[in-house]
Amino acid sequence: AQSVSQHNHHVILSEAASLELGCNYSYGGTVNLFWYVQYPGQHLQLLLKYFSGDPLVKGIKGFEAEFIKSKFSFNLRKPSVQWSDTAEYFCAVNAPGNYGQNFVFGPGTRLSVLP
Amino acid sequence: EPEVTQTPSHQVTQMGQEVILRCVPISNHLYFYWYRQILGQKVEFLVSFYNNEISEKSEIFDDQFSVERPDGSNFTLKIRSTKLEDSAMYFCASSVGTGSAFFGQGTRLTVV
Repeated sequence: AQSVSQHNHHVILSEAASLELGCNYSYGGTVNLFWYVQYPGQHLQLLLKYFSGDPLVKGIKGFEAEFIKSKFSFNLRKPSVQWSDTAEYFCAVNAPGNYGQNFVFGPGTRLSVLP
Repeated sequence: EPEVTQTPSHQVTQMGQEVILRCVPISNHLYFYWYRQILGQKVEFLVSFYNNEISEKSEIFDDQFSVERPDGSNFTLKIRSTKLEDSAMYFCASSVGTGSAFFGQGTRLTVV
């Protein structure tokens, strides 16, 4: 069964600091990888996704993530965070070919950016 | 931008009552999902639906749960007899296929 782990439960940064949130998954086959963000009181929104090709993917709001197949990792990065980035971040995996196409989410990392 | 819409945004129900959570997926999407997030916990998969039938379900999705697509636009989750532990945020999502899912705003279910 697929599983997703995220390295940090809660990260606190000052504005303009650089961000890296770790994500590792457990699945032996080909996967699609996603980062979703959930702002306080709002729904899950897609930040970025990786299906194939260039392992460095760029998403919205200046976020990027790098897929490292040998490490089963898909870490999220942003060079300079803003107060508005305060949110919960979820890494998710789905395995193409799953008839159900369901997503397995990591436990989430809460990011607090101090002004 | 197309979006998944869910109603109601907040539902309070008494233990043992039936609840129906409603979702309108994005119109050209073919796969529909329900997820839930108990407060402070991770997002958990409940069920996926394709071609008018359940394609996959988790252990959480027991006989108390059912899903239906009663017409061409709505996708509902019914909980037959709610328990306190069903209190959670329920998210509906839809996708075209092997792609990213779009999530609704969620329905906060509170069972008292």
